[in-house]
Amino acid sequence: GENVEQHPSTLSVQEGDSAVIKCTYSDSASNYFPWYKQELGKRPQLIIDIRSNVGEKKDQRIAVTLNKTAKHFSLHITETQPEDSAVYFCAASNNNDMRFGAGTRLTVKP
Amino acid sequence: NAGVTQTPKFRVLKTGQSMTLLCAQDMNHEYMYWYRQDPGMGLRLIHYSVGEGTTAKGEVPDGYNVSRLKKQNFLLGLESAAPSQTSVYFCASSFRSARGEKNEQFFGPGTRLTVL
Repeated sequence: GENVEQHPSTLSVQEGDSAVIKCTYSDSASNYFPWYKQELGKRPQLIIDIRSNVGEKKDQRIAVTLNKTAKHFSLHITETQPEDSAVYFCAASNNNDMRFGAGTRLTVKP
Repeated sequence: NAGVTQTPKFRVLKTGQSMTLLCAQDMNHEYMYWYRQDPGMGLRLIHYSVGEGTTAKGEVPDGYNVSRLKKQNFLLGLESAAPSQTSVYFCASSFRSARGEKNEQFFGPGTRLTVL
């Protein structure tokens, strides 16, 4: 089955800096790659997603890139703010199930 | 719309007891999922369903059973609870596009289960 690895497990940045989180996947049939943000005690919520027919997608301060050949995708957050502090999960899915990475705890220091 | 709801929010069981977690969604989604979340391990898929009357095993199905008798409900059962099943359980649902593509999963608020 699919295996998703996520790095780093923790990331601390200064407010205003950029943050990058990277994931790799194993199943070449995976075609949907969402990113979720989970604040403490809350449910995961989608922040951005990308499909396998697209190499890059941007939404304001958040962008995701996908390299299908290398089987990796990354989340980029620019101009980080304290409210970006949370745990971020990547995931990969074929048209059946969904597999998540172990998560990255991002801390943005004011 | 309530979105995805889960019942109960908290539960404490003794080893060997059974229980059922209920997930309900009012968005007419075809897909529904059950995950467990443990510290440092992200979300692990237990079982999922691609439509009413269908279920499939995920990454960690052992010790759990599911049923999807109605499109809006997805039940997760623990027949004989074990301390290793202490976790936070999340239900999620998503719609299926015309081409069968996956889309955003909407999560419920979670159920915190402790097995003593």
